[in-house]
Order: sequence, then C-alpha cells, then structure tokens
Amino acid sequence: GQQVMQIPQYQHVQEGEDFTTYCNSSTTLSNIQWYKQRPGGHPVFLIQLVKSGEVKKQKRLTFQFGEAKKNSSLHITATQTTDVGTYFCAGRQGGSEKLVFGKGTKLTVNP
Amino acid sequence: NAGVTQTPKFQVLKTGQSMTLQCAQDMNHEYMSWYRQDPGMGLRLIHYSVGAGITDQGEVPNGYNVSRSTTEDFPLRLLSAAPSQTSVYFCASSYSMVGPTEAFFGQGTRLTVV
Repeated sequence: GQQVMQIPQYQHVQEGEDFTTYCNSSTTLSNIQWYKQRPGGHPVFLIQLVKSGEVKKQKRLTFQFGEAKKNSSLHITATQTTDVGTYFCAGRQGGSEKLVFGKGTKLTVNP
Repeated sequence: NAGVTQTPKFQVLKTGQSMTLQCAQDMNHEYMSWYRQDPGMGLRLIHYSVGAGITDQGEVPNGYNVSRSTTEDFPLRLLSAAPSQTSVYFCASSYSMVGPTEAFFGQGTRLTVV
C-alpha cells in the first residue's frame, strides 16, 4: 500500500537556525499537504502542493514538491520559538481516496 | 461554524468495554476520516468515508467499526476495547477528493484502556 516516509523524526535547533524536513512516497502522489501540530493540539493545515516541481512560500516557510511527485520538503528559515511543534506531510496516491500521513518531524527550538 | 467537533475529549475504558467516539462537522464536507496518533507512529488512518452511506478501511481498521448515515456525523465504535487501543483519536473532514482538499481536524479524543 501507499507509504509516506518522513525524516528526520526529531530535530533540535537553536533559535535562528534553519530547519528542513523531508517527505518521500513509495508511489506518485496526486498532491501533497503539510500540517503543523502544536504540543497538545490537533494538526492544522499549512499548504497543499499539486504541480510537479512546485515551490510555495509562506513567510519563512518554503515548500517544494519534487519533479516526480514522489518527494517534498519543508524548509524554515531562521527558526523562532513559535515554530515548535510536529510537522506532518500527507499525500494521496493518484486516484486513491486515502490521505496518508508521514510519521512527522518534531521540532524543538532552544531560545 | 463549529468546524469538526469530537466528543468526548477524554475517556477511560476497561478492557472489553465498548464505546462510541462521536464526530460531527457542519461544513457540508463529503470526506470524513478517523486517525489514531501514537508516539513515534504519526497519524494512522483507521476508516474513512467519501459520503453518506459509504465507508472504507484505512491502514489500521481492526477493532473499530464506522457508519455514515448522514453527511454531518461519522462515529467510531470500539467493539471490545483493548489496551493496544490506548491512543489519541482524531476525526478529520474535507470538502471533497478534488479541488481544495484541506483536512480540518477535531480537537481529539484521548482514550486510555486499562
């Protein structure tokens, strides 16, 4: 079945450092989504990428979708303590109704 | 607009007991799903529904039943609770499978089976 792998599982950074999490799928995805979950909270949608090679930016966050639509990345520039949380990627295989999540990357930021 | 509402927020069950986790959305979303979240395991899909009267299994369906009699409600039933079902359960909904498919999550139900 469809699998979505995400690395690293944990990342500790000093405030101001950059952070990147990577997502890889065993199959081609129709689209990929990114979510953020604050400690004790629920996942909240950040963005969706649909096109091959697509790059989107939200302030200090940059999202990329690979040319083969099998991988994606989220990069945060100059992390802040408000960036703390777990970041998940989620994707649907073309034609599938299931939204499958990666295991997430837990980000902690030391002030 | 309440979004996705889950009840209860917390529950403790004894092994063998049954219960229903409630999920309701007021956004007229077609697609609804249940996930469980365990440490280090991310969000795993239990069951999902693409519309009233239609349900299907996700990655970890064993021990759970669902039904979708209305567009708004998607309850999750634990038939005979086991300690392995101790987890945080999230219900999610989205408008459809095409177009904007952002998933909206409920606040979660923290379930402990003793």
